[in-house]
Amino acid sequence: DAGVIQSPRHEVTEMGQEVTLRCKPISGHDYLFWYRQTMMRGLELLIYFNNNVPIDDSGMPEDRFSAKMPNASFSTLKIQPSEPRDSAVYFCASSASGIGNTIYFGEGSWLTVV
Amino acid sequence: KNEVEQSPQNLTAQEGEFITINCSYSVGISALHWLQQHPGGGIVSLFMLSSGKKKHGRLIATINIQEKHSSLHITASHPRDSAVYICATRTGGGADGLTFGKGTHLIIQP
Repeated sequence: DAGVIQSPRHEVTEMGQEVTLRCKPISGHDYLFWYRQTMMRGLELLIYFNNNVPIDDSGMPEDRFSAKMPNASFSTLKIQPSEPRDSAVYFCASSASGIGNTIYFGEGSWLTVV
Repeated sequence: KNEVEQSPQNLTAQEGEFITINCSYSVGISALHWLQQHPGGGIVSLFMLSSGKKKHGRLIATINIQEKHSSLHITASHPRDSAVYICATRTGGGADGLTFGKGTHLIIQP
């Protein structure tokens, strides 16, 4: 399997622009997670889905952030409008059901908002 | 809310040394992960533990559920072990999102 695939790997955008990050989880995994990593706060959970349904979005910072999972093989994280403080690395991860199953991370999307 | 604390924050050692990184957490958990992040950012899960001890090559991870503590050990350390090591806990019975420690930045000098 190709692993968790994220795009874009790097994005630089201007404040106020819409940003869309994409993720393809590992086939067969029914859990998908979006995490954000910053120097100040480390890794934080933003939202996770189970069988395409959002389960916990309490980590989404504010209404400017939204995430969707229209099918089992695709998810998006959208920021509109973007702000400089959104600059971070955004990781998508997936896992299969069961406590014994490990979690697999994508390579991350490095976002810079100027 | 679970608090995950790691120590040390930074560690520099010589090649060949035995390395220990510690992780403490505040509430009961269903599983604990040790993750490795290399420069460039990719994150790899090294171990997932719910009890006892696991070994993979030169890496050993242990967990003490009663004391809410886990350790990651690296034997015969090598410069390629240089990375950030992150402890993360899962509290739910399913696959709820992880709570992360701040990470330990390890540098192994030749």
